[in-house]
Amino acid sequence: AQSVTQLGSHVSVSEGALVLLRCNYSSSVPPYLFWYVQYPNQGLQLLLKYTTGATLVKGINGFEAEFKKSETSFHLTKPSAHMSDAAEYFCAALSGGYQKVTFGTGTKLQVIP
Amino acid sequence: KAGVTQTPRYLIKTRGQQVTLSCSPISGHRSVSWYQQTPGQGLQFLFEYFSETQRNKGNFPGRFSGRQFSNSRSEMNVSTLELGDSALYLCASSFKSGGSADTQYFGPGTRLTVL
Repeated sequence: AQSVTQLGSHVSVSEGALVLLRCNYSSSVPPYLFWYVQYPNQGLQLLLKYTTGATLVKGINGFEAEFKKSETSFHLTKPSAHMSDAAEYFCAALSGGYQKVTFGTGTKLQVIP
Repeated sequence: KAGVTQTPRYLIKTRGQQVTLSCSPISGHRSVSWYQQTPGQGLQFLFEYFSETQRNKGNFPGRFSGRQFSNSRSEMNVSTLELGDSALYLCASSFKSGGSADTQYFGPGTRLTVL
């Protein structure tokens, strides 16, 4: 079965610093990969997704992620953190047909002024 | 375009009761998926409906069921509630189904508390 691992349940960065949130998936067949953001008391919002093609994917709010098949990773980055980036981030994978998405356990990002 | 709406937003029930949650997808979307979110288990897939048919189901007991209507609106029902069913239930809609990686749009969720 597909699994998604997010390293670090909590990550703290200073405002203006690089944001790096890690995600690894387990699958011999590369799945479709997603990053979502969730603000308190809200649903999930899609930041970006990888399906096929270019391995560097750009998303909204200045985020991007790179698909590395050899490392089975899909880490999320942003060059400069803003206070508004404080939220919980979820990595997810879709494989095996239909919309059965497997989510990671989430990483809460704290941005320190 | 209006987003995904879920009603009610908050619900308090007692053990043994049953509950029905509602989800209205974005206009034109035919796929509706349901997820349970808890601090302990994270986000878990419940089931997906497409054109009134259940296409996939997660590993949940039979107490959890759902349906989809001809207008794509969906309901999920939980019978004989247990304390462990307390969670945020999220609904997501998309235009396509079938592993197309079509973007899912999430609603704000229904917060269910079981006492």
